[in-house]
Formats: sequence, structure tokens, C-alpha cells
Amino acid sequence: QKEVEQDPGPLSVPEGAIVSLNCTYSNSAFQYFMWYRQYSRKGPELLMYTYSSGNKEDGRFTAQVDKSSKYISLFIRDSQPSDSATYLCAMSPRGNNRLAFGKGNQVVVIP
Amino acid sequence: GAVVSQHPSRVICKSGTSVKIECRSLDFQATTMFWYRQFPKQSLMLMATSNEGSKATYEQGVEKDKFLINHASLTLSTLTVTSAHPEDSSFYICSASPQTSGGARAQFFGPGTRLTVL
Repeated sequence: QKEVEQDPGPLSVPEGAIVSLNCTYSNSAFQYFMWYRQYSRKGPELLMYTYSSGNKEDGRFTAQVDKSSKYISLFIRDSQPSDSATYLCAMSPRGNNRLAFGKGNQVVVIP
Repeated sequence: GAVVSQHPSRVICKSGTSVKIECRSLDFQATTMFWYRQFPKQSLMLMATSNEGSKATYEQGVEKDKFLINHASLTLSTLTVTSAHPEDSSFYICSASPQTSGGARAQFFGPGTRLTVL
């Protein structure tokens, strides 16, 4: 079993819809959870950074962490064509900078 | 803040030559830098972890003599692909973690370097 599971998609949604992405993981030591956005031929860009369980909101983005279920989510409200990218979840245990990544989920927002 | 640059952004070289890629943290000091490789439509594959002033830690299966890493300062790490071959063609991305105390830190990524070996 991989440490981090993420459905690679692709996921196509109409402009204005809510995009829902998620990852599951197996390592209960993970405490820091991140979502990155990667455009084609570019480096990943940090979108959200959360610690332990709970919700975090930043503009149109909401990250949720449920440690009891080992499940994290990213929601994008009012999706825009510029949100079309690959979204990677990543996580690490406390005291360790090394990240475990999901495979990435390709999102296409159709105008 | 938290900007990481990489140079060059693209390089094409002949088989057998060596290529050096630079990774710089522009507005923060990075105790640790990471080097990744990414194939098309795949996730990031960690190659090595680089700590300032010490030897890099390579992942299993990554040849340390082929991929030389130097982390000379808190803002600069370099990856040298020695005697490059066509199978080394890939997208190489570095990341850096800010020097802060406690816990784990997010990694900030550079824009990547596209290497093509002819």
C-alpha cells in the first residue's frame, strides 16, 4: 500500500462549480498536510499548509484534514479556467521535512 | 516571500557532457534543499536531500556519483548531472525549506529545469 493515495483523474468541471479533491494516507505519524498546484512545465506552488485535523480557508480554497480517517480534502469554490492544473497533496511527520506526495490530480475547468 | 529560483530553465546537451543546475532561495535561508525528478504526467520523485555544509542523502536507486549535489550556502544548492545520457532527460525540480525552529516545514519549489540529452 502506498503511503499516500490520490486519484489522478482527470477531473473536468464547468466554470463556477466546486472542485473537490482528496487524498488518503496510511502513516498515522503524518501531522503536516499540504496542497500544491502545478501548472504544466512549472514547479509546484504551495496552496495550503495545515497542521493536524481541522479546516483551513484561504479565499476560494478550503483544506480539510481528518486524521481519524486519514483523509484530507481540498475544495475550490467558484472554479475558474485558471484553476486548471494538477493538484498534489503532500504530507510529513513532525520533525521531518521530507514530504510524501500523492500522484497528483489533473483538474480541467471548462469555460 | 518564499521564492525559489532555478537556473537554467531549459538545457539541451550532447550525450556524455555534464550539466549543472542551480537552485537558490531568494528571500529566505534554507537549511535543507531537495532535488526531485518528474516524468511526464507523473508525480515528483525525490532524488536527494541536501543539507547546508554536509553531504547529501540520496534516495535508493539514485547514483550519487552521477548526480552530484553541493549545498555550499544557506541559499544555494547545485545538482550536476555527470556524463549525461538520453535516459537522464527529464524535468528536474528543486525545493527549499525555510530555516525555522520546530515541527516540519513546507517546501517551496523552484520553477524546474527541463533537461534534454541528445
